[in-house]
Amino acid sequence: SAVISQKPSRDICQRGTSLTIQCQVDSQVTMMFWYRQQPGQSLTLIATANQGSEATYESGFVIDKFPISRPNLTFSTLTVSNMSPEDSSIYLCSVVGGQGAYSYEQYFGPGTRLTVT
Amino acid sequence: QKEVEQDPGPLSVPEGAIVSLNCTYSNSAFQYFMWYRQYSRKGPELLMYTYSSGNKEDGRFTAQVDKSSKYISLFIRDSQPSDSATYLCAMIPGGYQKVTFGTGTKLQVIP
Repeated sequence: SAVISQKPSRDICQRGTSLTIQCQVDSQVTMMFWYRQQPGQSLTLIATANQGSEATYESGFVIDKFPISRPNLTFSTLTVSNMSPEDSSIYLCSVVGGQGAYSYEQYFGPGTRLTVT
Repeated sequence: QKEVEQDPGPLSVPEGAIVSLNCTYSNSAFQYFMWYRQYSRKGPELLMYTYSSGNKEDGRFTAQVDKSSKYISLFIRDSQPSDSATYLCAMIPGGYQKVTFGTGTKLQVIP
C-alpha cells in the first residue's frame, strides 16, 4: 500500500483567490489522480497526472482553472484558481498501488477540505 | 441515469446486526468491483475488490457481484460501532481505467 499526505488539510479562502494543494506519496508511482468530493455526490475525477507529461483533464475541468504539476514520481500539486463558492469541496489525491498494479488498487490521501467564502 | 446508483442512507443498525449495502450499475463493460470505506474527515480506503461475478469473503465482510442483474452487494456480519462510516462502491472496465464511484451509503452502528 501507499501512504499519502496532503497539505493543507483544510482552508477557508476568499472568492477570487487561488489555493495550491500538495500531495506527497511515500513511494514512487506512475499515475496520480486528483478527485473532488462534494456532499451527496460521488467522487469526481478532475485529472490524471503522469510524471513528465501534461495532466489529462476530465470533461468539465480545464487547466486554467485547475493547473496541476507533477515534478517527480512522489509529488504533485493541484491549484484551484480564481475560486468561487462552488469550488467548496473536499479535494483528494490518489495513486494506484505500485507501478504494476491495476487501478482497482487505489489509495487516497486524507483530503483537503476547502471552503470558499 | 447515473452509471452507478447507490442509496445514500443513512443506514442505522444495532451492534451485531448483519448489514447489506448495495449498488446497481448500467455499464455492462464493468469487470472489477470495489468497495471503499471512508471514515469522517478521512480519504476512502480500499476494503475489498472482486473480479467479474461471484463472492469474495474477508473476515466479517463478503462482497457479492451479480453481473447478470448488474447488482453488487457488501455484507458485514456482526457489525461493530467501528464499522460506522460511509461505504462507496466503485467499478472499472479493466486495469488502468477511470474508476466510477457510487455516491456512498452512510452507515451507523449503534452500540
